[in-house]
Amino acid sequence: AQKITQTQPGMFVQEKEAVTLDCTYDTSDPSYGLFWYKQPSSGEMIFLIYQGSYDQQNATEGRYSLNFQKARKSANLVISASQLGDSAMYFCAMRGTNTGNQFYFGTGTSLTVIP
Amino acid sequence: DSGVTQTPKHLITATGQRVTLRCSPRSGDLSVYWYQQSLDQGLQFLIHYYNGEERAKGNILERFSAQQFPDLHSELNLSSLELGDSALYFCASSERRGVYNEQFFGPGTRLTVL
Repeated sequence: AQKITQTQPGMFVQEKEAVTLDCTYDTSDPSYGLFWYKQPSSGEMIFLIYQGSYDQQNATEGRYSLNFQKARKSANLVISASQLGDSAMYFCAMRGTNTGNQFYFGTGTSLTVIP
Repeated sequence: DSGVTQTPKHLITATGQRVTLRCSPRSGDLSVYWYQQSLDQGLQFLIHYYNGEERAKGNILERFSAQQFPDLHSELNLSSLELGDSALYFCASSERRGVYNEQFFGPGTRLTVL
């Protein structure tokens, strides 16, 4: 079975500082993908970044980077130089080869950027 | 804008009623996924269609059904609605079925059952 765990229900960060949102996962799939999505108060789900289980390097997309530690089964999202517009819910998700391409989502972390 | 469209944006109805939610995937995407997001259950996968065929089922109630049409748009039918069905319903699409393909979400349909 697949499981995604986000242990931080809420986080605060000062504007222009970096913040790390934690995500751990559990899977028996040999091949899987890890994803982060942002959900602002308006409700839409915005894709941020992706990491493949066989990727040797950590993924980066602009101010977003994914700290992937396969042995620890963690895929933390790092947001650098936080902006007020980063205030939102952040969801970690996973899909594996043996689960019919179904996405499994964590419970999310609410990030608030303080001016 | 993800390129995925969903209609209607808001839907208010009464218990016992039936509603249909519509989704148009991004151009060229063959896979459509439906999710339900509620305060107590989080984001739950409902069902996945690929090129018109059902590929996977998640926590979808028997009162709910879906289909994907030849033009690849999809509809989610919710019947005998209950108060607990009030939620945000998302449709997402992806180009292929592989694990390395991200899903692009539509803006969602907010269903309120009174």
